[in-house]
Amino acid sequence: QKEVEQNSGPLSVPEGAIASLNCTYSDRVSQSFFWYRQYSGKSPELIMSIYSNGDKEDGRFTAQLNKASQYVSLLIRDSQPSDSATYLCAVNMGTSGYSTLTFGKGTMLLVSP
Amino acid sequence: DVKVTQSSRYLVKRTGEKVFLECVQDMDHENMFWYRQDPGLGLRLIYFSYDVKMKEKGDIPEGYSVSREKKERFSLILESASTNQTSMYLCASSFGGAGYNEQFFGPGTRLTVL
Repeated sequence: QKEVEQNSGPLSVPEGAIASLNCTYSDRVSQSFFWYRQYSGKSPELIMSIYSNGDKEDGRFTAQLNKASQYVSLLIRDSQPSDSATYLCAVNMGTSGYSTLTFGKGTMLLVSP
Repeated sequence: DVKVTQSSRYLVKRTGEKVFLECVQDMDHENMFWYRQDPGLGLRLIYFSYDVKMKEKGDIPEGYSVSREKKERFSLILESASTNQTSMYLCASSFGGAGYNEQFFGPGTRLTVL
């Protein structure tokens, strides 16, 4: 069974620190990787997408992909209390031929003032 | 900006009722998806559609059906609602084709079946 694994947390960091969120996936042929942020009671919001090995930066967010290790991470610099949310990792496993995503169960991030 | 709307934010139904959840997207996306989200179980795919009148089963299709008569609209139908279908239902859409897999979500419908 194709899986996406995340530590459920909570991950607690102080304001201004770097938060590091990690995700592993089981399907070696996976092609597309996404990070979503979900506030309590709200729907997931896409914050980062990454398709090739290496780093991709967007403001305070950096996504890192290592396909050989089947590992994708999200770094949040200068964490703010407003970053407190659940972060979902999603992977397009690719082999089905459809554009479906497999989601991890999410990591809860708590940023304390 | 991509906009995905869902017909209701909150819905309360009785066991055995037929329930319709509607989703509309305004970005001419080929793909549309229905998920349910439950604590501890994460997002689970119920059905998806990659074209008008086309549908594919996801991971948990039992007890559900879908309809896509127009490109912008994707409906989820609970033929006979049961209490174990109480959940948050999320609709999403994306472009078709290789590499265009970013899915954009609607606000969700919290359904309670009594």
